[in-house]
Amino acid sequence: QITLKESGPTLVKPTQTLTLTCTFSGFSLSTSGVGVGWIRQPPGKALEWLALIYWDDDKRYSPSLKSRLTITKDTSKNQVVLTMTNMDPVDTATYYCAHTKIQLPASDWGQGTLVTVSS
Amino acid sequence: EIVLTQSPGTLSLSPGERATLSCRASQSVSSSYLAWYQQKPGQAPRLLIYGASSRATGIPDRFSGSGSGTDFTLTISRLEPEDFAVYYCQQYGSSPPAFGQGTKLEIK
Repeated sequence: QITLKESGPTLVKPTQTLTLTCTFSGFSLSTSGVGVGWIRQPPGKALEWLALIYWDDDKRYSPSLKSRLTITKDTSKNQVVLTMTNMDPVDTATYYCAHTKIQLPASDWGQGTLVTVSS
Repeated sequence: EIVLTQSPGTLSLSPGERATLSCRASQSVSSSYLAWYQQKPGQAPRLLIYGASSRATGIPDRFSGSGSGTDFTLTISRLEPEDFAVYYCQQYGSSPPAFGQGTKLEIK
C-alpha cells in the first residue's frame, strides 16, 4: 500500500522560505521510473503543478515558479523536500505531494497540508 | 507550455443522468497523455482516467474517457450521488504537466 504524508509549517511570514517534507512508504525512489511531485491548490481554486523529482535525480519545475523552487530527495529516508523562497500571501494553499511513474500521471496523493502566508 | 481549458465551468444534473465533461488543449497532447481526476471537498484528488481512456484501479465502469490530439471528454454514464464533485483534466506528456481549471458537477 502506497502512502504519502506532507509535513511543514502551517503559517509562514511574507518573504520567508517554506520547507515542506513528503514522507512516503510503499515504494522506493531508487526504483527506475518512479517520481514524486508537488502540487498546490489555493482555497477554492484549481490545482497547480509545482515540481517533480525522478529516481535518477532528474528534476522538473513549473516555469513560472522555477526561480523560487528547489526539490530534493533522500532515498534512505523515503523523503522528498520542497523549498519555496520569498513566500507571499498569494502562495497560501494546500500543498500536496504525489507518487508517479514516468509517462504516467500522479496515482497516489498525500492528504495535503494547508500553508498560510501572513504577517 | 500546454494550456487546458475545461467546459462547462459548472454542470447541474440529477442522479441517473449522463454527464459529459470537456477538456481542450492549446496544443496536441503527446501520446494521449491525458488524465482525469475527481476531487471532493476536503479531499485530495483521485485519479480516474489516464492515457485518455484507461480507467485507474478500482474506478467504476460508468466512468469513461475518450479523445485525442487537443479534444478530450470524460463521460459518466449514470450519475450516482457520490459522483458530484469537481473534475480536473491534466496533460502529462510534456513539461510542465498542467491542469485544467476544473468542472464542478453539482446536483440539480
